[in-house]
Amino acid sequence: DGGITQSPKYLFRKEGQNVTLSCEQNLNHDAMYWYRQDPGQGLRLIYYSQIVNDFQKGDIAEGYSVSREKKESFPLTVTSAQKNPTAFYLCASSIGWNSNQPQHFGDGTRLSIL
Amino acid sequence: AQSVAQPEDQVNVAEGNPLTVKCTYSVSGNPYLFWYVQYPNRGLQFLLKYITGDNLVKGSYGFEAEFNKSQTSFHLKKPSALVSDSALYFCAVRDGAAGNKLTFGGGTRVLVKP
Repeated sequence: DGGITQSPKYLFRKEGQNVTLSCEQNLNHDAMYWYRQDPGQGLRLIYYSQIVNDFQKGDIAEGYSVSREKKESFPLTVTSAQKNPTAFYLCASSIGWNSNQPQHFGDGTRLSIL
Repeated sequence: AQSVAQPEDQVNVAEGNPLTVKCTYSVSGNPYLFWYVQYPNRGLQFLLKYITGDNLVKGSYGFEAEFNKSQTSFHLKKPSALVSDSALYFCAVRDGAAGNKLTFGGGTRVLVKP
């Protein structure tokens, strides 16, 4: 079945450590997205990529970095500069940036601080 | 700027009764509107969308939503709620002329009691 796979499901970070969250899709979608979910705040956009080898900052990009070297992969790095990284991180994809089709979501990675 | 408001943090309903989850939006261009559902520790699942056409949109699992341009609303409805409908519901909007950047509401938790 086609879909989006996020790994790991749970991740723990030590102070001063960078961690990388994996997101892989086999839907052949051009556009990919990273969101952060905090209780009561809905989803906030961290970074997005309209097409391979391209990405742009979203609303809360500080302390995060991404790459898009392959169409199917869009890893997110949470750097030590992100002072409050504890959250549920969701990756999504869509057919294209200007498509009216919905975004499809993975099952998330829950990041906690040790 | 685009925005979404879900005025109720939680909606309680008895099984078999009608369910309504409210959403109002603000967008400068033509609105593309979406409803998603989230179960615990899972990603978001797409329920339905409004792009253009009929104001009453039918979606998955018996849900429907009514687009009201004058009231800038897109309320989600289900005629007869099931206990399994208990989940977190998100409304989202994008400007039809501004790419696939979604803005999400804060979410409404639905609790259906037997």
